[in-house]
Amino acid sequence: NAGVMQNPRHLVRRRGQEARLRCSPMKGHSHVYWYRQLPEEGLKFMVYLQKENIIDESGMPKERFSAEFPKEGPSILRIQQVVRGDSAAYFCASSPDIYGYTFGSGTRLTVV
Amino acid sequence: DQQVKQNSPSLSVQEGRISILNCDYTNSMFDYFLWYKKYPAEGPTFLISISSIKDKNEDGRFTVFLNKSAKHLSLHIVPSQPGDSAVYFCGFVLEYGNKLVFGAGTILRVKS
Repeated sequence: NAGVMQNPRHLVRRRGQEARLRCSPMKGHSHVYWYRQLPEEGLKFMVYLQKENIIDESGMPKERFSAEFPKEGPSILRIQQVVRGDSAAYFCASSPDIYGYTFGSGTRLTVV
Repeated sequence: DQQVKQNSPSLSVQEGRISILNCDYTNSMFDYFLWYKKYPAEGPTFLISISSIKDKNEDGRFTVFLNKSAKHLSLHIVPSQPGDSAVYFCGFVLEYGNKLVFGAGTILRVKS
């Protein structure tokens, strides 16, 4: 049973480009969460999704950021018109219920 | 997150001694508490948890203590080993909630 798969592991984007981060949850897990870790900071909750539904997006920046978890395929975190301040490690977690979180290895986004 | 405080950004301990990591929280609606460990360039991994109906949970070298009246959570590692050197995050789940809120993390260094 593969763990939570995130790709790419590293992503470099120029300012103004779009970044797409993918997360495939563990088999049987229907809850997906995205977290961001800025340099020298802790893990900040961004969004919680179930299939085709955003359950809680209270941690998402109001602009440029969006997330989806379609019926088929991975969850996508999309950042439009990236800025240097978006440079961070983005972690995805999945769970079969509200307690059993398993994290992926993260995507490290660098905006140049 | 303002609801959770890990007041010690770092801790240095000699191999074989006890490591004690602490978290304080303000939200009395938290009912499930976890500790995660994170190595550089990897995702957080689950370590140990405790529900609000208990005050202690033990798993090998790791023991988590919960003091609900003081709103205080701690993790004891004994004996500490060099491989325990990592960042430790306390995590909290709201009663009937669906997202994990983390503290800022404590860097533990175990010296041999």
